[in-house]
Amino acid sequence: DTGVSQDPRHKITKRGQNVTFRCDPISEHNRLYWYRQTLGQGPEFLTYFQNEAQLEKSRLLSDRFSAERPKGSFSTLEIQRTEQGDSAMYLCASSSSAGRTDTQYFGPGTRLTVL
Amino acid sequence: EDQVTQSPEALRLQEGESSSLNCSYTVSGLRGLFWYRQDPGKGPEFLFTLYSAGEEKEKERLKATLTKKESFLHITAPKPEDSATYLCAVFPTGGFKTIFGAGTRLFVKA
Repeated sequence: DTGVSQDPRHKITKRGQNVTFRCDPISEHNRLYWYRQTLGQGPEFLTYFQNEAQLEKSRLLSDRFSAERPKGSFSTLEIQRTEQGDSAMYLCASSSSAGRTDTQYFGPGTRLTVL
Repeated sequence: EDQVTQSPEALRLQEGESSSLNCSYTVSGLRGLFWYRQDPGKGPEFLFTLYSAGEEKEKERLKATLTKKESFLHITAPKPEDSATYLCAVFPTGGFKTIFGAGTRLFVKA
């Protein structure tokens, strides 16, 4: 069990550029979540995948954000035309639907800074 | 609307001074309640999952309890290395949108 990994760990970009982040969940986990966290706040839910299907998406998520999980393994989160307000920590978590546990295990996050 | 409120926002303790953190929640149906620890610049680290009122779980100096409206994280004889932000989250029934509180920042002084 190598845990959830995210890449890159840090990203600095200029306003208007597109960025893409990758998340590799724990290998046997079929559920994957994306969150955004700003300073002093708890993580804010963005979207949820079960296997390759995106089953839930926050209404707060603008159409500049898109996420994919093409083969039910790793996932990508893309932000188009970045804005300064997109600066935040982007967190990925995974869990298993097997058994009762719904425990989500988090990765280290990707810190995005938009200049 | 589903909501999670944590108190206090910050807590300063002397080493060995036991205390409790509160997580109040409003949710239409609860599938589970999570507690996480988060160090600055890192992802949340899982501590406990509680599923039903009356349930309790322990790990080292930490003990989590759950009622129908709130959860407590009790810290017994804390050490400086327990300093971190403690996050509470609810996992409601009928969906997968997990809702986090803003956290309690704990500072333990030697």
